[in-house]
Amino acid sequence: GAGVSQSPSNKVTEKGKDVELRCDPISGHTALYWYRQSLGQGLEFLIYFQGNSAPDKSGLPSDRFSAERTGGSVSTLTIQRTQQEDSAVYLCASRSGTGAYEQYFGPGTRLTVT
Amino acid sequence: AQTVTQSQPEMSVQEAETVTLSCTYDTSENNYYLFWYKQPPSRQMILVIRQEAYKQQNATENRFSVNFQKAAKSFSLKISDSQLGDTAMYFCAFMKHSSGNTPLVFGKGTRLSVIA
Repeated sequence: GAGVSQSPSNKVTEKGKDVELRCDPISGHTALYWYRQSLGQGLEFLIYFQGNSAPDKSGLPSDRFSAERTGGSVSTLTIQRTQQEDSAVYLCASRSGTGAYEQYFGPGTRLTVT
Repeated sequence: AQTVTQSQPEMSVQEAETVTLSCTYDTSENNYYLFWYKQPPSRQMILVIRQEAYKQQNATENRFSVNFQKAAKSFSLKISDSQLGDTAMYFCAFMKHSSGNTPLVFGKGTRLSVIA
């Protein structure tokens, strides 16, 4: 079956603009994660969804970041008023949630804020 | 909080040789999982191998094997018969056992170059 997909693959935006990043998890996977990979910071956890709810938003770096998930499937990460320090690769992963513990990653979205 | 340390930012190995990547972690959890992920230039994170902490036997996947030392909190990856396609960033990751939020905690990564 299809793996995790993310769109767009690359996004260049001007400082101050809003961006939306999309993640399509593996069909049937109930858990969904967003991570950020930036130079010098490694991979950091942003937010986790179980179904449509996000019980833990503590990883979001500021209130400019928000995420939602609808229908227990697609998730959107929104960054408002982008800053240059938001430039990074944003990775999405999904997990089955039925006893399985492996997370499967998408190819990521490279965000560049100019 | 858990931390994962990869002390080798870069390594290189000759094709067909064996290389070992180091990883140590710190946790107070007793039940957890450890992973090695590979990230080639395509950015796709690929699961290489996984280890359940309650299992004493070291995991193996074809040319990839781990040396899991629970008491020492060490989890090294051995790649045998290295191939050019093994060139990538390798990340060690920790995940505690939970039915709820279980984000991966990653090390900073080791960039491996396989030389022909």
